[in-house]
Amino acid sequence: GENVEQHPSTLSVQEGDSAVIKCTYSDSASNYFPWYKQELGKRPQLIIDIRSNVGEKKDQRIAVTLNKTAKHFSLHITETQPEDSAVYFCAANLNTGNQFYFGTGTSLTVIP
Amino acid sequence: NAGVTQTPKFQVLKTGQSMTLQCAQDMNHEYMSWYRQDPGMGLRLIHYSVGAGITDQGEVPNGYNVSRSTTEDFPLRLLSAAPSQTSVYFCASSPLWGDYGYTFGSGTRLTVV
Repeated sequence: GENVEQHPSTLSVQEGDSAVIKCTYSDSASNYFPWYKQELGKRPQLIIDIRSNVGEKKDQRIAVTLNKTAKHFSLHITETQPEDSAVYFCAANLNTGNQFYFGTGTSLTVIP
Repeated sequence: NAGVTQTPKFQVLKTGQSMTLQCAQDMNHEYMSWYRQDPGMGLRLIHYSVGAGITDQGEVPNGYNVSRSTTEDFPLRLLSAAPSQTSVYFCASSPLWGDYGYTFGSGTRLTVV
């Protein structure tokens, strides 16, 4: 089955700095890669996604890049703010469908 | 439009007891799934369904049953609770086709003592 690895498991940055979270996947048929943000005690919420025919996608301060050849994708958060502190999960779909495998999560702390 | 509704929010069970976690969505999503979330292990798929009457196993199905009699509802049954099933459970739904991520329910925190 699909295997999604996510690094780092914890990340601390100063407010205003950038944060990068990286994921790799094993199923070459995967073609859709969403990212979720989970605040403490809350449900995961979709924040950005990318399809395999696109190399990069931006939404204000967040961006996702995809290297399909190397089978890895990354989340970039610029100008970090304390409200960005949360656990972030990457995911990859299995065999182009709507079943997803998740990474183990990155706990991001933005220090004011 | 309530999205995905899970009940209960919290539950304590004794070892060997059974219970059902409820999940309902009002978005007419074909795909529904149950995940458990444990520290350091991310979200692991228990069971999923691609439509009414159709269910299948995920990564960690042992000890759990599901059914999908309607598009809206996807209950998760714990047959004989064990301490290893202490976890936070999330129900999630999405359209079956297209580039859609999941809409998650608010979660159920289950403790088995």
